[in-house]
Amino acid sequence: EVQLVESGGGLVQPGGSLRLSCVVSGFTFSTYNMNWVRQAPGKGLEWVSYINPTSSTIYYADSVKGRFTISIDNGKNSLYLQMNSLRAEDTAVYYCARASAWSGNPYYFDNWGQGTLVTVSS
Amino acid sequence: DIQMTQSPSTLSASRGDRVTITCRASQRISRWLAWYQQKPGKAPNLLIYEASNLASGVPPRFSGSGSGAEFTLTISSLQPDDVATYYCQQYDSYWTFGQGTKVEIK
Repeated sequence: EVQLVESGGGLVQPGGSLRLSCVVSGFTFSTYNMNWVRQAPGKGLEWVSYINPTSSTIYYADSVKGRFTISIDNGKNSLYLQMNSLRAEDTAVYYCARASAWSGNPYYFDNWGQGTLVTVSS
Repeated sequence: DIQMTQSPSTLSASRGDRVTITCRASQRISRWLAWYQQKPGKAPNLLIYEASNLASGVPPRFSGSGSGAEFTLTISSLQPDDVATYYCQQYDSYWTFGQGTKVEIK
């Protein structure tokens, strides 16, 4: 069974930092691209960042570029999101999401974690 | 950036009704469109990919259609378990979600 479990959320002051983790199981982590997606309270879904298994291709949404850093540790089956210079508008549930398997086609998100809440407030 | 617009924002229908949600892209995205269902307090769950392919384990009352810039998600016979918010997502160029459609039972 595919499982993705996020952790690391919490309350942080504006300008602060937080590191989210996503530990996966049930599939070969080193062969899948991964993503972070967030959802502000009562709002819709927003893609945040993408990484491929070798970390050679990384993308960020404009809203987090220069402040967030995505990374992976294949040995620990883990995905990370380092979040710096946090703002109130970064308050959201953060989900890790697995991209669909390689098929030569673009990737959708076929499995999601349960999410971890990040609250940025003084 | 590709923008995705869903309609309606909220939908109320009776059990057994046929329900249709529309998603429009700001530019053509071929068939690179997915639909997700999100129940309150839960993570999104993949329903449809490549506009019309049913994800594993999804009931056949769900179907998707469309290509280019206009897409639809149809629930052929609405069930109480279908109460949720539904999101479309384009994956032709990066990833963008629609604003969501909340489906309620009358």
